[in-house]
Amino acid sequence: GAGVSQSPSNKVTEKGKDVELRCDPISGHTALYWYRQSLGQGLEFLIYFQGNSAPDKSGLPSDRFSAERTGGSVSTLTIQRTQQEDSAVYLCASSLRDPHRVNTGELFFGEGSRLTVL
Amino acid sequence: AQRVTQPEKLLSVFKGAPVELKCNYSYSGSPELFWYVQYSRQRLQLLLRHISRESIKGFTADLNKGETSFHLKKPFAQEEDSAMYYCARPPAGGSYIPTFGRGTSLIVHP
Repeated sequence: GAGVSQSPSNKVTEKGKDVELRCDPISGHTALYWYRQSLGQGLEFLIYFQGNSAPDKSGLPSDRFSAERTGGSVSTLTIQRTQQEDSAVYLCASSLRDPHRVNTGELFFGEGSRLTVL
Repeated sequence: AQRVTQPEKLLSVFKGAPVELKCNYSYSGSPELFWYVQYSRQRLQLLLRHISRESIKGFTADLNKGETSFHLKKPFAQEEDSAMYYCARPPAGGSYIPTFGRGTSLIVHP
């Protein structure tokens, strides 16, 4: 089957605009993560969704960042009033977390959405 | 705090030289640890995991409890090994959030 799909692959926006980034996880994967990858900063955890449970938002850097996951599948990361420091690659990953199956703990990543804020 | 540390941001070697990408952890016991790799213009993907004790693309990694390390090694580097490498601990111990090191960029010169 298809891997994790993210769109857009590239987004250039002006400071102050809102952007939406989309993630379509692997079918059947209940866990979904958003990370931010900046040059020299490694992978910064943003938010985690597991099934229909309340998300873990502990990594969101400010209240300008929010994310939803509809129907336990597709997720959207929204950044309001973008700033230049928001420029980065935003990675989505999904994982199988099923108490009735063997979970390897492996994350499957999308190709990322590169955001540039001018 | 429990963490995974990659002390080198950048590692530069020549083709054919041995390479060792360092990873240290601060967890007690024998944590499960992974290495992920991201080649240029490709997605981040799992390279190998500690528990499987396998060699992938010539790379191996052994958990050293005494040194709390999980260094990634290859005896003879190839140009195609140039990539970003992340050491990571998968979700464990009640936490659903994996822990990643900050990554090491490996450049293999011809």
